Amino acid sequence: NAGVTQTPKFQVLKTGQSMTLQCAQDMNHNSMYWYRQDPGMGLRLIYYSASEGTTDKGEVPNGYNVSRLNKREFSLRLESAAPSQTSVYFCASFGTENYGYTFGSGTRLTVV
Amino acid sequence: QKEVEQNSGPLSVPEGAIASLNCTYSDRVSQSFFWYRQYSGKSPELIMSIYSNGDKEDGRFTAQLNKASQYVSLLIRDSQPSDSATYLCAVETGDDYKLSFGAGTTVTVRA
Repeated sequence: NAGVTQTPKFQVLKTGQSMTLQCAQDMNHNSMYWYRQDPGMGLRLIYYSASEGTTDKGEVPNGYNVSRLNKREFSLRLESAAPSQTSVYFCASFGTENYGYTFGSGTRLTVV
Repeated sequence: QKEVEQNSGPLSVPEGAIASLNCTYSDRVSQSFFWYRQYSGKSPELIMSIYSNGDKEDGRFTAQLNKASQYVSLLIRDSQPSDSATYLCAVETGDDYKLSFGAGTTVTVRA
């Protein structure tokens, strides 16, 4: 099925551990985004990639890095996880066919 | 001040009634506006987009935009229990199709 695939769906980390969240889309979209969603704060942009080979910071980039591996894949890395990074993370891609975002199913991350 | 503000919820409406959701934004140059629906534990899904002043209707949903007042709203007519969800207002900001989202308004439709 066409769409955005995120892995893993759930993850528990200890403070200081690292991990990479994976995202892949099969819709041939150029633009991809990573958001985090916290209660009462809505979705906040962490990083985005307007095209293959480019990445830019969003509203809350501190503590994260990204890689646009190819047109399909855009990964988010936490180098040293902190409890403040406990959140639900969504990957999205933008398509001109509906001029809107398609979101992945999300990753629920808990840092203890 | 947040870039996108939504009326605080939760909003409870009886089945068959109209649910009215409001959103204001701070960036005067924004041109594209969206409403997403998010069921509990799920990802957001696009339900409406609007770019010009006035009303846009899609089935039971009507989006209204007033750029002069920096205001966008969503009306849900003949509300159904399946409309119970959190509705997110999103505004395109800057380049590269970036969106700023409001915190969301949770709607509960009572049967």
